[in-house]
Amino acid sequence: GAVVSQHPSRVICKSGTSVKIECRSLDFQATTMFWYRQFPKQSLMLMATSNEGSKATYEQGVEKDKFLINHASLTLSTLTVTSAHPEDSSFYICSAWRGEDTQYFGPGTRLTVL
Amino acid sequence: GQQLNQSPQSMFIQEGEDVSMNCTSSSIFNTWLWYKQDPGEGPVLLIALYKAGELTSNGRLTAQFGITRKDSFLNISASIPSDVGIYFCAGRKAAGNKLTFGGGTRVLVKP
Repeated sequence: GAVVSQHPSRVICKSGTSVKIECRSLDFQATTMFWYRQFPKQSLMLMATSNEGSKATYEQGVEKDKFLINHASLTLSTLTVTSAHPEDSSFYICSAWRGEDTQYFGPGTRLTVL
Repeated sequence: GQQLNQSPQSMFIQEGEDVSMNCTSSSIFNTWLWYKQDPGEGPVLLIALYKAGELTSNGRLTAQFGITRKDSFLNISASIPSDVGIYFCAGRKAAGNKLTFGGGTRVLVKP
């Protein structure tokens, strides 16, 4: 069964609004989670590393003030897309390492900004 | 960002055929993971490899961790229609816990 969940699975919002996406590890604790963005027919691109109890680490070119990450507990990380614009429309996927060896992905969240 | 070189980019399969794909890199990885992604869903882990030279099977899937630590391949034997999807390789280096992804191999069914 699924080991990482995401909510919501789909969201449509108006331009200028903010959207929060949740990522949960279901049967394990994750001190580190990852947020990816995937455009159609492309591979996954890492946006940021979410660290429990500390600030997220953002990849080059990713605006930390636009993509707010909060990792408040060992099983929950949230990504908030602030002041969303149509170009932020994408498939957002989170992941987490279970143990040291295996990284599992959530089912993804399809964001559409009108 | 850096990507692994994954090939082929796409391929058509006929039911019953064997399928092969591979990933190469100019740098060393200490873990290789293979994922399958169906449309509108997150990647699902197929096989994980941890040692150079390791050959691991999962049902009709077989993957190997290259001896140089710079490559890996995935084979699917006797393909079936549900094998259609996008397959990604991903590598993790010795230091750190980020994954680097290949560009994906899109497996399609021959009409």
